Amino acid sequence: AQSVAQPEDQVNVAEGNPLTVKCTYSVSGNPYLFWYVQYPNRGLQFLLKYITGDNLVKGSYGFEAEFNKSQTSFHLKKPSALVSDSALYFCAVRDSLSGGGADGLTFGKGTHLIIQP
Amino acid sequence: DAGVTQSPTHLIKTRGQHVTLRCSPISGHKSVSWYQQVLGQGPQFIFQYYEKEERGRGNFPDRFSARQFPNYSSELNVNALLLGDSALYLCASREDRGTDTQYFGPGTRLTVL
Repeated sequence: AQSVAQPEDQVNVAEGNPLTVKCTYSVSGNPYLFWYVQYPNRGLQFLLKYITGDNLVKGSYGFEAEFNKSQTSFHLKKPSALVSDSALYFCAVRDSLSGGGADGLTFGKGTHLIIQP
Repeated sequence: DAGVTQSPTHLIKTRGQHVTLRCSPISGHKSVSWYQQVLGQGPQFIFQYYEKEERGRGNFPDRFSARQFPNYSSELNVNALLLGDSALYLCASREDRGTDTQYFGPGTRLTVL
C-alpha cells in the first residue's frame, strides 16, 4: 500500500524568507511523487513532479522539491516566499507497482502555508 | 486550451437521493479519474477510467459508479446519498495511464442535507 505523510498542519513564513513544506512517503516499488496547490474553493493546481532522474525538481512559480530516497522524503521548497504563495499544499504519491489500473494518487492531508507580510 | 471542466459547480441534495456529476477532460486526454475531498482532508481516489473502461477503483461502496463516454467525458453517479457524501468531488484528466501528470478541474461541491 502507498501512503503519504505531511507532518505539519500549518507552516508560517515571513515574506522574503525561504520556505519548506515537508512530505514523506511509503511505497513498495518506486515512487512517483507530486506536489499540488489548492486555493480556497478551487481545484488542485499542479506544481511539480518527480518520476526519475535528478533528485532536485524545479516546478511552477519558483517552487522546487528534493527527492531523498534514503529518507523517503520529497520536501517542497522556495528560496523567497511571496504573500501570494499562501494556500493549501498537497503532496501525492503513486507506487510504480500499482499496476492493473490502480493508478490513483494517494494524497497527504495537506499543509496550510501562510506567508506573513 | 480549456482545462478540465466540471458541472455543476454546486449541488444540494437530501439523504437518499441520487446525484450525477459531469466532467470534460482536457482535449486529447483519454484518462479520467475521480476523487472525493472531504473538508479538511486530502483528496481520496474513487475511480479511474481509460479508453471508456474502468481501470482502477478506490475503497468506496457500490453506491458510487462512473462511466466514460466515447468523447472521453465522464459521469460520476452516487446513489442513496448519505450525509457523509458531502464533499468536493474532483475530476482529473491525463493523456495516458502511467506517470503522466493529472490535471484537476475546479470540482463540484456536493452538500447532502
